[in-house]
Amino acid sequence: KAGVTQTPRYLIKTRGQQVTLSCSPISGHRSVSWYQQTPGQGLQFLFEYFSETQRNKGNFPGRFSGRQFSNSRSEMNVSTLELGDSALYLCASSLSPGEVGELFFGEGSRLTVL
Amino acid sequence: AQTVTQSQPEMSVQEAETVTLSCTYDTSENNYYLFWYKQPPSRQMILVIRQEAYKQQNATENRFSVNFQKAAKSFSLKISDSQLGDTAMYFCAFEGQAGTALIFGKGTTLSVSS
Repeated sequence: KAGVTQTPRYLIKTRGQQVTLSCSPISGHRSVSWYQQTPGQGLQFLFEYFSETQRNKGNFPGRFSGRQFSNSRSEMNVSTLELGDSALYLCASSLSPGEVGELFFGEGSRLTVL
Repeated sequence: AQTVTQSQPEMSVQEAETVTLSCTYDTSENNYYLFWYKQPPSRQMILVIRQEAYKQQNATENRFSVNFQKAAKSFSLKISDSQLGDTAMYFCAFEGQAGTALIFGKGTTLSVSS
């Protein structure tokens, strides 16, 4: 069974641009969560989607948005990029939101903002 | 709000030795879940071990075990017979009510040398 797939793995953008990251969950998993990982802040929760609906949202500005498609694939978008958005963005999937702690992570998309 | 604190940013150990990683958390909830995740260099994060707060018995998974002290809000991870493959960043995580987002500590980088 294929794991969680994130694309692209690496990308470089400049301030003011926008970026879209993609996440394909494990087959059969319907819940997708996104986390931002930085050396200073660690892992911070961005949002969670289930059945194309956002269930939870972390404390991030409105520049960060996401969506989920009917096939459970998810995308997150960051607009008007800032230097501080440089981070590893991790996607995790689970069968459903009730699957306590059973998150399966992708390898992440490493974003560098210049 | 719940918080998770890992007070050891880095630790080193020799192969075959035992090492303990510390984690404390703060919550007013009585029912919750605690986890240790492992993130090897440039690889995806995986679940190492989980503990339900209502269980008094400490969880064990092969060489990995936890010392869960509910009253002290402490949740340490013990790795026995350390192996080179244990080299990774380890994250302690908390989940309150089922279906809420995981809250992670800032991680402990563990280096195992021969």
